[in-house]
Amino acid sequence: QSALTQPASVSGSPGQSITISCTGTSSDIGNFNYVSWYQQHPGKAPKLMIYDVNNRPSGVSYRFSGSKSDNTASLTISGLQAEDEADYFCGSYTSWSIFVFGTGTKLTVL
Amino acid sequence: QVQLQESGPGLVKPSETLSLTCSVTGDSMRIYFWSWIRQPPGKGLEWIGFVNDSGSTNYNPSLKSRVTISVDTSRSQCSLRLSSVSAADTAVYYCARVARYSYGLGMDVWGHGTTVTVSS
Repeated sequence: QSALTQPASVSGSPGQSITISCTGTSSDIGNFNYVSWYQQHPGKAPKLMIYDVNNRPSGVSYRFSGSKSDNTASLTISGLQAEDEADYFCGSYTSWSIFVFGTGTKLTVL
Repeated sequence: QVQLQESGPGLVKPSETLSLTCSVTGDSMRIYFWSWIRQPPGKGLEWIGFVNDSGSTNYNPSLKSRVTISVDTSRSQCSLRLSSVSAADTAVYYCARVARYSYGLGMDVWGHGTTVTVSS
């Protein structure tokens, strides 16, 4: 099971919107609505931001949203803020009842 | 407020077995799945496997031959054993709770992580 593919980096200015893609296959993203997204600040544990494609856990800002089309999932952050600068990882349930993470994307707020 | 705390040796010799424990406080371990994840220095996250409260497991195929994850709900602990380690197993190891509200194994509570270095 290979890691899901994410861009290595994305950037945006405060107030803008950015989108991070996460590409998998028909054995993971394409076959299930079970994509989750995690935010990780340096030296910290990851934090769940989105689960099951487009659901936000309690306490996560409405500025974070998720979507999916075919084998690609996306995380959109609107109204970009300095505190959003972090690494972001997607993850998906797979046909083998296991979980796989994405390669990770570094978000820089200019 | 549920909290997870990983513990174990920070240094393991090559070819030996890495053993870590995740202690859960603030909630019962029952009816949850518990995952282990690792992150090599400067790299991404790698899912190792999960165990449910009945002890059923599922592992990353790339690690399956070397990994054992178990749970002891009476002691509120989840354990990871990784045998025949090499330098490639050097990483920060996290335990995490799988959210009950997530069908897709989304992990909503994480420990702070513990650093394990494999070196002689």
